[in-house]
Amino acid sequence: GAGVSQSPSNKVTEKGKDVELRCDPISGHTALYWYRQSLGQGLEFLIYFQGNSAPDKSGLPSDRFSAERTGGSVSTLTIQRTQQEDSAVYLCASSLVGGPFANTGELFFGEGSRLTVL
Amino acid sequence: GESVGLHLPTLSVQEGDNSIINCAYSNSASDYFIWYKQESGKGPQFIIDIRSNMDKRQGQRVTVLLNKTVKHLSLQIAATQPGDSAVYFCAEKRPGNNRLAFGKGNQVVVIP
Repeated sequence: GAGVSQSPSNKVTEKGKDVELRCDPISGHTALYWYRQSLGQGLEFLIYFQGNSAPDKSGLPSDRFSAERTGGSVSTLTIQRTQQEDSAVYLCASSLVGGPFANTGELFFGEGSRLTVL
Repeated sequence: GESVGLHLPTLSVQEGDNSIINCAYSNSASDYFIWYKQESGKGPQFIIDIRSNMDKRQGQRVTVLLNKTVKHLSLQIAATQPGDSAVYFCAEKRPGNNRLAFGKGNQVVVIP
């Protein structure tokens, strides 16, 4: 498709289990972001990938959270030993950084993966 | 730390009236600002942006105003329509930093 695709759209898991969330960015977009949105809250930055550069992991809330981006395209966000406070919508976004719209900052968001930890 | 906030949590507006959504940002070094709209169950969608060297920018039915003196950003929606019902987020970006810092959002409810 033409937009950012995320899967699964909904995930219910038990406390202590590991989960993986997937993001397929827009083709050609070099920047990829993960944000977390708790109920009724704004978007909390988690991690940022740009090309082959080292990712900016400064937003990850704990060492239970990690993310990879393989081949400069698909990204996976992994949460280990999930806790109830991890319940949120996890949003992925991509942007065309360095192209003709460099520094516009416009992010194209997916529809998110809703995680519920019981 | 990063702090972008909105004054009003919920705005109810009559269809056809104009809406104004306000946002205060804390970092005077921020040089770029964006408004996003998020409908229920969907990801945020870009509405309009403005750079810090401007104080006003207009789009289709939307206008963004930037007052750097008081670090205030607003979004004006003309002739509000039912489809404008959503949560609106402002976001700021600092020079050399590729992340956007988002506020908590402001719910707009359009009354038919």
